[in-house]
Amino acid sequence: QKEVEQNSGPLSVPEGAIASLNCTYSDRGSQSFFWYRQYSGKSPELIMFIYSNGDKEDGRFTAQLNKASQYVSLLIRDSQPSDSATYLCAVNRGNAGNMLTFGGGTRLMVKP
Amino acid sequence: EAGVTQSPTHLIKTRGQQATLRCSPISGHTSVYWYQQALGLGLQFLLWYDEGEERNRGNFPPRFSGRQFPNYSSELNVNALELEDSALYLCASRRSSTDTQYFGPGTRLTVL
Repeated sequence: QKEVEQNSGPLSVPEGAIASLNCTYSDRGSQSFFWYRQYSGKSPELIMFIYSNGDKEDGRFTAQLNKASQYVSLLIRDSQPSDSATYLCAVNRGNAGNMLTFGGGTRLMVKP
Repeated sequence: EAGVTQSPTHLIKTRGQQATLRCSPISGHTSVYWYQQALGLGLQFLLWYDEGEERNRGNFPPRFSGRQFPNYSSELNVNALELEDSALYLCASRRSSTDTQYFGPGTRLTVL
């Protein structure tokens, strides 16, 4: 079992719809969770982080965390073609150095 | 506030040569992380430097090495280059009081 798992996609949604990206992790001691967006050929850009169970909203983005189920998700409302990218889930497993373990990413395609 | 910077943007080398990649963290950040991202693959952790010391390294051979300078900038050296070293090399920095990593634009290394 991989430490951080994501469906590689592509996840295709129509413009204006809600895109739902999911991530599961194996280490129950994980403390914090991050979502990065990576456009093709570019570097990852931080979108959101979440530490506590529940929802955290920032503009069109909502991160959801359920530690009991070891599950974190990212919802993108009113999806735009410019949201088309690969979304990386990263987890701080609470080990030395606040190392982040990255999932393989989910490719999102928003169709006009 | 200036972001993480990396140089050069692109680097072309031939097999057996050495490559040197550079990274300047965000002001006030003391930790620097290096990652390798081969085409179509996920982020692979390479090295972590903090306060001038190597704190952790990923599953890479010793020909991948680096250092961190007193101003917290960092250098990644790859010796005896192999074709499979062709990848996007990403640097990320972190402030000591947080676990959020911010990425630089990357260096695209091509080994011919």
